[in-house]
Amino acid sequence: AQKITQTQPGMFVQEKEAVTLDCTYDTSDQSYGLFWYKQPSSGEMIFLIYQGSYDEQNATEGRYSLNFQKARKSANLVISASQLGDSAMYFCAMRRPGNQFYFGTGTSLTVIP
Amino acid sequence: DSGVTQTPKHLITATGQRVTLRCSPRSGDLSVYWYQQSLDQGLQFLIQYYNGEERAKGNILERFSAQQFPDLHSELNLSSLELGDSALYFCASSVEGNEQFFGPGTRLTVL
Repeated sequence: AQKITQTQPGMFVQEKEAVTLDCTYDTSDQSYGLFWYKQPSSGEMIFLIYQGSYDEQNATEGRYSLNFQKARKSANLVISASQLGDSAMYFCAMRRPGNQFYFGTGTSLTVIP
Repeated sequence: DSGVTQTPKHLITATGQRVTLRCSPRSGDLSVYWYQQSLDQGLQFLIQYYNGEERAKGNILERFSAQQFPDLHSELNLSSLELGDSALYFCASSVEGNEQFFGPGTRLTVL
C-alpha cells in the first residue's frame, strides 16, 4: 500500500505568490517523521524541512513551512513568495520506526515569471 | 555542494555484470544511507549504515550489498545486473539527526 501520496503531479505558481504542495501519509505508528526534499533539474536532492509526529508546532525553515494536520495525516509544504529557482520536483517522505523511509511520487513545481 | 561525494558520476555496463558505487560522507557524519531513484519505482530507500554497522534495511535486493568502512566511506555493490537496475543511486549522510545531505548521485545504465 502506498504510504506517501502526492496527488499533484504538476503545479504552476506565479512568481512571488505562495503555493501549497499536498502530501498525505498512511501509518499506524505513533512516532514518525515527515520530510520534504527538493530535486532541481540538475538532479541533486536537497533537504527542505522536517516535522516530527510529536511536534506541536508546524515546522518552518525560511520560506518553507509544513502544514501538519495529524488527524488528517497530511503534511503539506507551503512555499511563500515563490522564486524562479523554486522550480523543481518536490518529494514528501516519511520515516517510520526502524529508520524505514518512504517517498511520494513527487510534484513538479513550475514558477512562472 | 552538500559535502557528500559519490563516484563514479556515470556508469554504463552490461546485464549480468557487477559494479561498485562509492560514497564519502560529510566530515563527521556517521550515518550513510543509500537510495535508488528509477522511473518505475520512484525513490526507494535501500539501506543505512551507522559507524560501520548496518542500521536499517529497506527495499534492497539480495543481489545488492553494501558496507561502511572504518574511514566511514561506503560502497554499494550491485551484481548480476538487470536492465531494471538502471537508475540514479544516491548516497546521503547525516550526523544521526533528521537532516540528510545527499550526494550528486551515480547514474547507472545497464545495457
